[in-house]
Amino acid sequence: EAQVTQNPRYLITVTGKKLTVTCSQNMNHEYMSWYRQDPGLGLRQIYYSMNVEVTDKGDVPEGYKVSRKEKRNFPLILESPSPNQTSLYFCASSSRDGWSPLHFGNGTRLTVT
Amino acid sequence: GQQLNQSPQSMFIQEGEDVSMNCTSSSIFNTWLWYKQEPGEGPVLLIALYKAGELTSNGRLTAQFGITRKDSFLNISASIPSDVGIYFCAGLRDTGNQFYFGTGTSLTVIP
Repeated sequence: EAQVTQNPRYLITVTGKKLTVTCSQNMNHEYMSWYRQDPGLGLRQIYYSMNVEVTDKGDVPEGYKVSRKEKRNFPLILESPSPNQTSLYFCASSSRDGWSPLHFGNGTRLTVT
Repeated sequence: GQQLNQSPQSMFIQEGEDVSMNCTSSSIFNTWLWYKQEPGEGPVLLIALYKAGELTSNGRLTAQFGITRKDSFLNISASIPSDVGIYFCAGLRDTGNQFYFGTGTSLTVIP
């Protein structure tokens, strides 16, 4: 089954404790992206990647890092999480061949205390 | 980044009623997408539109790609309780490296 898999689904952590949210897709998609979703603000792009070893900042990249060492994986790293990064995070992927619609993961709800 | 203007922000309707929502932008888009998001889940694609003027249906859902390429519309006919959720539009411009999103329409269907 074609899917985007995020882990964990829920995460509660404390300020400053480094964490990684994993994302993996099995559709051989070149494009992958991370979004955060906050009430009233909709989906905002954090980082995206057009292909392996190619990453670019989205609209709200501060406080986040990403890497794209393999085509299928695109982890989101919070080196020193802060409470304002409490949010619902989504990973998504798309094929650049004809730009297929984005396929989303099921989300990671992060709480930073 | 640019957000798409989506309206209405929320709707409360009786079961059986039809629903209409739209997205507009000041920029031209080559692709319009409509997603539904249920609580605790990721957005799921409902309809994809690739051509100006295109009208596409998916069951009781119908979406249109505006002829100006700056807007799109989603209609749901004969709503049922399981239509409850947040619907949002997304667009892809001809530069092709970033999807833009509407802020969503929250739909409540009253049985």
